Amino acid sequence: SSELTQDPAVSVALGQTVRITCQGDSLRTYYASWYQQKPGQAPILVIYHQNNRPSGIPDRFSGSTSGNTASLIITGAQAEDEADYYCNSRASTGNHLLFAGGTRLTVL
Amino acid sequence: QLQLQESGPGLVTPSGTLSLTCTVSGVSTGHTSYYWGWVRQPPGKGLEWIGSIYYSGTTYYNRSLKSRVTISVDRSKNQFSLKLTSVTAADTALYYCARQSATYDSGSYYPDYLDYWGQGTLVTVSS
Repeated sequence: SSELTQDPAVSVALGQTVRITCQGDSLRTYYASWYQQKPGQAPILVIYHQNNRPSGIPDRFSGSTSGNTASLIITGAQAEDEADYYCNSRASTGNHLLFAGGTRLTVL
Repeated sequence: QLQLQESGPGLVTPSGTLSLTCTVSGVSTGHTSYYWGWVRQPPGKGLEWIGSIYYSGTTYYNRSLKSRVTISVDRSKNQFSLKLTSVTAADTALYYCARQSATYDSGSYYPDYLDYWGQGTLVTVSS
């Protein structure tokens, strides 16, 4: 399958750890990247190549992959982490890119 | 400081052509480390990759849009552009341009993660 899938919504208590997952066959071959998008703003890259953080991204954000599932982990979620999160990777068939449908994270 | 800025008409008539330009500052569109891409987001929905272009002119397009999309680069103006033909209401979206890392694989460079994004521009398809 040439798709990536995410749970539509996830919630986490303030200060707790949350895992947002992304599934797809392409993740067995290619790295996942993760983007955070807050209302009315452009997405920003938070994790690339499975577990690398761009400059300026807090170290509470991390990533991992197992089999066909990539995860974005937020350790000690903060109120400002409430946002939509999207994963993407290269497709396993053909040289194009995929985005999953996104997960809305609510921090309680 | 790296910046990307989309520009173009905010309203396009059905069956017409959507044309957008992304002006890049702070890095050359001729840099071999990067692809330059377009992503769109219909109101209230998720992100959709449209396509990407390398400094050499090599392009990759979303299969579902490939017959209608053309992306080009003008290195002299440090810009890259998107044309989408035969638009319908389904093409109404916020359109983002972005810089992408170019990843080497099996003898070629491919578009990878998007590390800098423009602020986006809303294009509405309506008569």
